[in-house]
Amino acid sequence: GAVVSQHPSRVICKSGTSVKIECRSLDFQATTMFWYRQFPKQSLMLMATSNEGSKATYEQGVEKDKFLINHASLTLSTLTVTSAHPEDSSFYICSASPPFSSGGALGTDTQYFGPGTRLTVL
Amino acid sequence: EDQVTQSPEALRLQEGESSSLNCSYTVSGLRGLFWYRQDPGKGPEFLFTLYSAGEEKEKERLKATLTKKESFLHITAPKPEDSATYLCAVRGGTSYGKLTFGQGTILTVHP
Repeated sequence: GAVVSQHPSRVICKSGTSVKIECRSLDFQATTMFWYRQFPKQSLMLMATSNEGSKATYEQGVEKDKFLINHASLTLSTLTVTSAHPEDSSFYICSASPPFSSGGALGTDTQYFGPGTRLTVL
Repeated sequence: EDQVTQSPEALRLQEGESSSLNCSYTVSGLRGLFWYRQDPGKGPEFLFTLYSAGEEKEKERLKATLTKKESFLHITAPKPEDSATYLCAVRGGTSYGKLTFGQGTILTVHP
């Protein structure tokens, strides 16, 4: 259990284009998902908290208009990098937490991570 | 503000040489301390959640322990496939579910 998928795993795009990354919880429903960014040899940096049915909460310094987040269902959140530039190149990772009501063996406080998406902007 | 410091930054072991990784933390109202393993180019893989001082959890060659100020990840008789970056994170009572991560410990196990 607690499988989170991301698509695509790798994307290369030209500067100025927009890129959409999908994050899905495959075997549980997630009212909250998180988006992180990771630079080489550095730890994870939280970008935003995605809440199903409401607006995302962005961390300080993260541009809301640059990184659009949509959490349209209990199993899907999307991150769109708009007008991407080379400095947006990074490893983007999402995570999801099972809701309290899921019960079972899944930790309700635990975030389960997707495999990540490598974005390269030329 | 929640803070997490991991040490050492890097650790090289011979196969079979047991050791420990440290995670020191300050948090307002601990709601959980988490250990993850991350392989290059992949997302973090969940290992353990600890909630209160004195708690211990084990999985194969790994054992995680927790005190009021730090957590240890003990690795017994490691194998080369245990080589990875190990991340520690905390969730505080005022964090609204957010995790604060340490910088990680890069573990290399030589055969």
